[in-house]
Amino acid sequence: GQQVMQIPQYQHVQEGEDFTTYCNSSTTLSNIQWYKQRPGGHPVFLIQLVKSGEVKKQKRLTFQFGEAKKNSSLHITATQTTDVGTYFCAGNTGGYQKVTFGIGTKLQVIP
Amino acid sequence: DAGVTQSPTHLIKTRGQQVTLRCSPKSGHDTVSWYQQALGQGPQFIFQYYEEEERQRGNFPDRFSGHQFPNYSSELNVNALLLGDSALYLCASSPGTGIGDTQYFGPGTRLTVL
Repeated sequence: GQQVMQIPQYQHVQEGEDFTTYCNSSTTLSNIQWYKQRPGGHPVFLIQLVKSGEVKKQKRLTFQFGEAKKNSSLHITATQTTDVGTYFCAGNTGGYQKVTFGIGTKLQVIP
Repeated sequence: DAGVTQSPTHLIKTRGQQVTLRCSPKSGHDTVSWYQQALGQGPQFIFQYYEEEERQRGNFPDRFSGHQFPNYSSELNVNALLLGDSALYLCASSPGTGIGDTQYFGPGTRLTVL
């Protein structure tokens, strides 16, 4: 079945440093979604990428979808303590939302 | 406008028991998906309901079943509970089943099986 791998699993950064998490799928994706889950919370939708090579920005967050639609990345510039949480990518290979989540990257920001 | 709501918030059961979890989707949403999130893992897709029918199913045994009501709310039932069923159960709703439809997650139900 479809597998979505995400690295790194954990990342500690000093406040102000940049952070990147990578997502790779074993199959070509229809779209990829990114979520953030705060400790004790539930996943909150951040963005969805659909087109090959797509790049989207949300303030300090930059999301990319690979040309082959099998990989994606999330880059945070100048991290802040409010960025703490686990970031998940979730790939969709079909017309419905049967998404496959990665294991997530847990980000700790040291003040 | 209420978001996705789930009940109960927490639940403790013993092995072999049965449990029913409930979800009310966001207003205007007709599609409900259920996920299981074990500690330290990403959510795993259980199944999705649309128009009161199960449209897709993940790799979960038949002990996991569901239902969607005419008002689009949904229930997740788990029979013959195992210790490994302990997890956060998340419900997500969306306005349709298309590729471009965003899913909104509820706060989850934390199930502990003793």
